[in-house]
Amino acid sequence: QVQLVQSGSEVKKPGASVKVSCKASGHSFSSYGVSWVRQAPGQGLEWMGWISGYNGDTKYAQKLQGRVTMTTDPSTTTAYMELRSLTSDDTAVYYCARDVLEYQPPNWFDPWGQGTLVIVSS
Amino acid sequence: QVVLTQSPSASASLGASVKLTCTLSSGHTSYAVAWHQQQPEKGPRFLMKLNSDGSHTKGDGIPDRFSGSSSGAERYLTISSLQSEDEADYYCQTWGSGIVVFGGGTKLTVL
Repeated sequence: QVQLVQSGSEVKKPGASVKVSCKASGHSFSSYGVSWVRQAPGQGLEWMGWISGYNGDTKYAQKLQGRVTMTTDPSTTTAYMELRSLTSDDTAVYYCARDVLEYQPPNWFDPWGQGTLVIVSS
Repeated sequence: QVVLTQSPSASASLGASVKLTCTLSSGHTSYAVAWHQQQPEKGPRFLMKLNSDGSHTKGDGIPDRFSGSSSGAERYLTISSLQSEDEADYYCQTWGSGIVVFGGGTKLTVL
């Protein structure tokens, strides 16, 4: 079945960067886009951005522009999200999620990855 | 930009039904939405995609107790025969013009 498996928890110091991976299986990786969504403690879901599995096109949430980079490695069917210049406000669980529609701009998600906790603390 | 509005909380008794609402902002009332469930300490799970005409497509394994409907700018998620495991946060999501937007979520308590 379609599955997204994310990398493990991270603890980072303020000012550092973090790179989270999301390995896909059970579907044609290059046909679908992947979004990244984060959830701060006790808060709701925040969309961070999207990357096309087809051509690497990206779209980022305005508030994260310049600090986030999303990439893919088709040879390993893995998507990556790197966030730089971390502050305590970036402490959150980070999720990847696959688009339902193939070869389309970001749409709705199914399935989701299991989540990666990133803690930013001095 | 589209905005989705959800009530922060809802409650209903075990075995009863509950209807959760997601409201689309003005000018975006024809948008489809997706509903996602997040049980305590778990990641989100896709429930259904709900169109403006009320037609909906559910995710694999989603019970028949979950249904969707629409009226104007409102998108509804109805859960019937409530069970304890339905106690969760429910988020609506929409998309368009290259962006994705989430509602603030509704915390459902099963009494």
